[in-house]
Amino acid sequence: AQTIHQWPVAEIKAVGSPLSLGCTIKGKSSPNLYWYWQATGGTLQQLFYSITVGQVESVVQLNLSASRPKDDQFILSTEKLLLSHSGFYLCAWSPGLGGRNEQYFGPGTRLTVL
Amino acid sequence: QQKVQQSPESLSVPEGGMASFNCTSSDRNFQYFWWYRQHSGEGPKALMSIFSDGDKKEGRFTAHLNKASLHVSLHIRDSQPSDSALYFCAASDHNNNAPRFGAGTKLTVKP
Repeated sequence: AQTIHQWPVAEIKAVGSPLSLGCTIKGKSSPNLYWYWQATGGTLQQLFYSITVGQVESVVQLNLSASRPKDDQFILSTEKLLLSHSGFYLCAWSPGLGGRNEQYFGPGTRLTVL
Repeated sequence: QQKVQQSPESLSVPEGGMASFNCTSSDRNFQYFWWYRQHSGEGPKALMSIFSDGDKKEGRFTAHLNKASLHVSLHIRDSQPSDSALYFCAASDHNNNAPRFGAGTKLTVKP
């Protein structure tokens, strides 16, 4: 069975500080990986996706960047946090691209920027 | 205007009752629809998909799709307190574009 782990569970950071969020998928080789952002109680916005190691496509940047250093790892980062970065960050994977494929979400990281 | 609109914003039903959710898209390219459920503090989980016109039933959940009117709905019969969550409709086109999620409907099932 596939498992998806996100770290940290929650972060409280100051405006202007750097950020790195991580995601690991076990039990699935070559998954398609995604980063989503969700405002509190709000809709889900896909930020980045990756279909292979070293390749990341931006959907909506929001002054964030993403990298895929390993097949099972996806990293979201920024050098300078903004207040608007606060929210719930979700990593997800799917077996393929396209609307027929279910998105499997991780437990999320709650980010508060002060 | 959002490409995927959900209604109502919130919904309260008694335990054992029927909960109904609506989703309308403004893009005729959307062909694939999913319903996701998110409990507070967790990541969303897919409930069911529907790609063809008509009804699709899985246990207590029934989805209905009408591509001509760009409308998809979800109905939960015999609602349980554990069904209390945020319900999202997601729509995708034939291309490999990111799915568009609606704003969600908050369901509260009262014991």
